[in-house]
Amino acid sequence: GNSVTQMEGPVTLSEEAFLTINCTYTATGYPSLFWYVQYPGEGLQLLLKATKADDKGSNKGFEATYRKETTSFHLEKGSVQVSDSAVYFCALRDSGAGSYQLTFGKGTKLSVIP
Amino acid sequence: DAGVIQSPRHEVTEMGQEVTLRCKPISGHNSLFWYRQTMMRGLELLIYFNNNVPIDDSGMPEDRFSAKMPNASFSTLKIQPSEPRDSAVYFCASSPGTPQPQHFGDGTRLSIL
Repeated sequence: GNSVTQMEGPVTLSEEAFLTINCTYTATGYPSLFWYVQYPGEGLQLLLKATKADDKGSNKGFEATYRKETTSFHLEKGSVQVSDSAVYFCALRDSGAGSYQLTFGKGTKLSVIP
Repeated sequence: DAGVIQSPRHEVTEMGQEVTLRCKPISGHNSLFWYRQTMMRGLELLIYFNNNVPIDDSGMPEDRFSAKMPNASFSTLKIQPSEPRDSAVYFCASSPGTPQPQHFGDGTRLSIL
């Protein structure tokens, strides 16, 4: 079956530090990959996505590249801000027709301190 | 802009009672999803609607669960009768026609005693 493995948190960084949150996956076929962010007290929201190998998703300064050879989709940001403090979820969806189930990782909590 | 609105935020009830969770998707979003989150199983898709029609309900755990979307701006998830193992956070999410959710609501924390 499908699975998503994220680095365990919490991750604590100082403002302007470089962020990497690792995500690897196991799936049959060619899944689509996603990062979701959940800010404190709010619901999840889609941050970025990539639908095929070597695609790079980007949004709000965050980037992730779909690496089929390493089955990875690591999230990066060059300079984090206090407002980036949140829980980040990596997820995948099968590419087959009728595939709507998202498989989520357990989430990585990021705290950015001034 | 208003996000996905869920009610109630918290629900505590005794087993055997009927529970109804409500969701108002973002205006203009024609895809709606119900998810359940537990510590053991993480986030699981229960049902997916597109244009008010259920497309995938394979995640609905059993007949005690039912979901409806009578119009584009309202959906309900009903559990009858409720059981303690139904205790979880239930999220509604919507998107503008894509088969994955874009915005989630704040969730309903359900406790069945």
